[in-house]
Amino acid sequence: EADIYQTPRYLVIGTGKKITLECSQTMGHDKMYWYQQDPGMELHLIHYSYGVNSTEKGDLSSESTVSRIRTEHFPLTLESARPSHTSQYLCASRSGPNNEKLFFGSGTQLSVL
Amino acid sequence: GENVEQHPSTLSVQEGDSAVIKCTYSDSASNYFPWYKQELGKRPQLIIDIRSNVGEKKDQRIAVTLNKTAKHFSLHITETQPEDSAVYFCAANSGGSNYKLTFGKGTLLTVNP
Repeated sequence: EADIYQTPRYLVIGTGKKITLECSQTMGHDKMYWYQQDPGMELHLIHYSYGVNSTEKGDLSSESTVSRIRTEHFPLTLESARPSHTSQYLCASRSGPNNEKLFFGSGTQLSVL
Repeated sequence: GENVEQHPSTLSVQEGDSAVIKCTYSDSASNYFPWYKQELGKRPQLIIDIRSNVGEKKDQRIAVTLNKTAKHFSLHITETQPEDSAVYFCAANSGGSNYKLTFGKGTLLTVNP
């Protein structure tokens, strides 16, 4: 089924660990996005990509990095996790310039101890 | 960049009543305004959207209105039901070719039976 998948769904790790949050979509979308969702609900754009080999920083400063080597895959990496990184991370995608509908993944809830 | 303000942050109504959520935006070049619904523990999903060349759009019990001059848009839900309880986000796109959606802070709607 065409969808956008995020793994893991939940992750609890210790401070200083390197982690990668996975995001894959099977809809053939060019545009992909990472949002960080505060416990109080607000969605902040932290990274986005318009296609392969394209990555841009979003509105909220983040210590994470992203890569886009394949159209369907947009992983997010934290080199050294800290408690301040505890949050929900939502991946999203959309098809193209004339279709603005964003499809969201189910999210990864990250807790850094 | 775009700034989206959303009010109220929480809204409680009785089943059958109407609910209205309001948003304002800052970028006069924005031309696309979606509304997303996020149920507890689930991903945000698009429920309705409107473009700047339209003043109002309806879909069954849901309607959105847009006032470009005043730069505000609103979500109207009539005959509310308990399953309408969720967090609702408004959003606006940034004008130009660098497509990004900026979200409001969200409104927690509770429909009491």
